[in-house]
Amino acid sequence: QKEVEQNSGPLSVPEGAIASLNCTYSDRVSQSFFWYRQYSGKSPELIMSIYSNGDKEDGRFTAQLNKASQYVSLLIRDSQPSDSATYLCAVNIVSSGSARQLTFGSGTQLTVLP
Amino acid sequence: DAGVTQSPTHLIKTRGQHVTLRCSPISGHKSVSWYQQVLGQGPQFIFQYYEKEERGRGNFPDRFSARQFPNYSSELNVNALLLGDSALYLCASSFRPGGEDTQYFGPGTRLTVL
Repeated sequence: QKEVEQNSGPLSVPEGAIASLNCTYSDRVSQSFFWYRQYSGKSPELIMSIYSNGDKEDGRFTAQLNKASQYVSLLIRDSQPSDSATYLCAVNIVSSGSARQLTFGSGTQLTVLP
Repeated sequence: DAGVTQSPTHLIKTRGQHVTLRCSPISGHKSVSWYQQVLGQGPQFIFQYYEKEERGRGNFPDRFSARQFPNYSSELNVNALLLGDSALYLCASSFRPGGEDTQYFGPGTRLTVL
């Protein structure tokens, strides 16, 4: 099992629709969860961070965390063509020995159709 | 405020050569992490440094090494380059190590090994 798994995609939604991106993780004691957006050829940029169970809203973006189910999601409301990008889920997970490090999923490619 | 900076932007090397990549963190950030991202995958953790000490190492061969300087900038060195080392190398900075804090990424260095 991969440490952080995302819907492989690609995901296509029409402009104005809600895009739903999902992520599961393996480490039950992870405490920090992040969503990054990455445009083609560019570096990842932070969209949301979430640390507690429940929903966190920022503009058109809502992150949802359920630690019991080891699940984190990102909802994008009123999707725009400019939202077309790869979305990366990242979780702080025990990596080398006892050190915790940020571990990324492989990303979900989102296309918003005009 | 300046974000994370990396140099060079692009680099072309041949197999067997050595390469040094450089990173300057956001002012006030003391932790620097290095990631390798190959096409179609999420960033893979290579190293993390905090206060000039290595705090974590990913599953990369000993050909990869790094260090952090007193001003918190960092270098990533790769010896005996292989074709498979071709990737986008990302540097990220944060206040603290361990993946708990938000990590902010630089623009990356695109390395091509011929």
